Amino acid sequence: DTAVSQTPKYLVTQMGNDKSIKCEQNLGHDTMYWYKQDSKKFLKIMFSYNNKELIINETVPNRFSPKSPDKAHLNLHINSLELGDSAVYFCASSPGTFRSGANVLTFGAGSRLTVL
Amino acid sequence: DAKTTQPPSMDCAEGRAANLPCNHSTISGNEYVYWYRQIHSQGPQYIIHGLKNNETNEMASLIITEDRKSSTLILPHATLRDTAVYYCMFYNNNDMRFGAGTRLTVKP
Repeated sequence: DTAVSQTPKYLVTQMGNDKSIKCEQNLGHDTMYWYKQDSKKFLKIMFSYNNKELIINETVPNRFSPKSPDKAHLNLHINSLELGDSAVYFCASSPGTFRSGANVLTFGAGSRLTVL
Repeated sequence: DAKTTQPPSMDCAEGRAANLPCNHSTISGNEYVYWYRQIHSQGPQYIIHGLKNNETNEMASLIITEDRKSSTLILPHATLRDTAVYYCMFYNNNDMRFGAGTRLTVKP
């Protein structure tokens, strides 16, 4: 079984559309994350949820809205897509938070979003 | 400002040890150093982490200087499959950034 699974793996859409990326982890972890990797390959954290509570909310446009229905799921909804949103989005999970000592991230395989 | 500093690229001969350095001079006493790698465009993969002592696991060894301002990841016998971008990082407050990493190329 895949530990952190994301769907879809590839997403091609037009500017202005709204799309969602889903993430699920079966590791029993308490914390989940969304990272964005742009064309320059920098990995930037966007959001983090701990037990469904938002704990990290980096400076991202409010067109991006994470939702965590339970601690095993963290979905990313993007409204009014723009060309600059094209990137690979990685979901990750960890047992605890940055406050809890050693905290190893397990990443999903990524979702490549292309906005035309 | 970057939290960590790594050389942008390194080469290593297959079968030889790969030593990847990282400077993290602003790390605090209770913050762990973590190493991850990313092969092609796959999701980053955890390698090893440490606080003060040197660490070893089945993938690699981690050497942390006594002042904790730098560390070195050692892949003892690099293979072609170890070609990847290697990231060192540490977390503090809400900051869980990855730096630019080192692109390691293992050559036959």
